[in-house]
Amino acid sequence: GDSVTQMEGPVTLSEEAFLTINCTYTATGYPSLFWYVQYPGEGLQLLLKATKADDKGSNKGFEATYRKETTSFHLEKGSVQVSDSAVYFCALSRMDSSYKLIFGSGTRLLVRP
Amino acid sequence: EAGVVQSPRYKIIEKKQPVAFWCNPISGHNTLYWYRQNLGQGPELLIRYENEEAVDDSQLPKDRFSAERLKGVDSTLKIQPAELGDSAVYLCASSNTANTEAFFGQGTRLTVV
Repeated sequence: GDSVTQMEGPVTLSEEAFLTINCTYTATGYPSLFWYVQYPGEGLQLLLKATKADDKGSNKGFEATYRKETTSFHLEKGSVQVSDSAVYFCALSRMDSSYKLIFGSGTRLLVRP
Repeated sequence: EAGVVQSPRYKIIEKKQPVAFWCNPISGHNTLYWYRQNLGQGPELLIRYENEEAVDDSQLPKDRFSAERLKGVDSTLKIQPAELGDSAVYLCASSNTANTEAFFGQGTRLTVV
């Protein structure tokens, strides 16, 4: 069945460091790919998405490129801020599974001043 | 615009007791989801509604879990009787349609003792 694997955390960085959180997926067909973020005490929020191969999703300085050849959707940011500290979830959905979101286990990011 | 509202935020019950969670989706959203998030894991879909019809409840443990969405707006999720393994965060989400962005509530954290 469909699945998402993302790197285990926590990831601890200093402010202004470069961030990469790895995400790979297993799915038949052509899923849409997502990154959700969960800030402390808040609900999940969509951060960015990509719906087809080679698409790049971007938002708030974060980027991820849909790589079908490596089945990956790694999240990157050039310069993290303390306010980026949160848990990040990679997810996929497919039209022929009723767009059900399949989530990875989440990666906690801690950014220190 | 108000987001997805869930209540209660926290609930502690003894095993074998019943418990219910309530969700008010974003106004006008036809699709409503209930997800369960175990500690250290990503959310997993329990049930999806299109208006008042449950269109995907394959992951709902029907021996003890039930859900309803009367009038296609608010929804309740019930567990009776609760077991220790039901301790988790129960998330409600809604979207305009099944293939558009899902917005999540803050969740209800259930602890069964």
